[in-house]
Amino acid sequence: NAGVTQTPKFRVLKTGQSMTLLCAQDMNHEYMYWYRQDPGMGLRLIHYSVGEGTTAKGEVPDGYNVSRLKKQNFLLGLESAAPSQTSVYFCASSYRQTANYGYTFGSGTRLTVV
Amino acid sequence: KQEVTQIPAALSVPEGENLVLNCSFTDSAIYNLQWFRQDPGKGLTSLLLIQSSQREQTSGRLNASLDKSSGRSTLYIAASQPGDSATYLCAVRSNNAGNNRKLIWGLGTSLAVNP
Repeated sequence: NAGVTQTPKFRVLKTGQSMTLLCAQDMNHEYMYWYRQDPGMGLRLIHYSVGEGTTAKGEVPDGYNVSRLKKQNFLLGLESAAPSQTSVYFCASSYRQTANYGYTFGSGTRLTVV
Repeated sequence: KQEVTQIPAALSVPEGENLVLNCSFTDSAIYNLQWFRQDPGKGLTSLLLIQSSQREQTSGRLNASLDKSSGRSTLYIAASQPGDSATYLCAVRSNNAGNNRKLIWGLGTSLAVNP
């Protein structure tokens, strides 16, 4: 019963470096999301996906790209990291538009860009 | 535009007290409302989910109510324990199909239960 697994858990990047955060879920959820959490600003949606092969922009998509080549995986990429991208990143998943079910979150990735 | 507000932002209580956390939202057209718990440096754990057609949900010492007409939800914690210390987040899933029914988040209530 792994749920939502995020890797890595911690990362330090230098400005301009690139990296990919991986999110994997084993619940056969259609929807997947990437959020960032910053003090005093709450959770903000970066990108989301409503199914394999689809992605869409959230509230704060600039500087990030995503891909969902397989239903169970949702990747978040930073092509050229900036200090403003220092944050805690959470992945979540859910069934499609079903009132009976909520969101399941991963444990987060703490990213520092220096 | 849906906005979610949580009051108070922080709360400190002695162990054993019953307490209420508040969540208000501006648009009553919601799909569901979910309460989460977040421990420092950790991820989010889902506590309770209330469908738009429901009035309340209960799990152990937790009870969440929903009043769509007034745009309010409350999370009631009975007989609080130090282990309940965490940040509690309220999230509303919009019923607006144009938003793909995305979650709108409150900023949370930071709870400290003192022994």
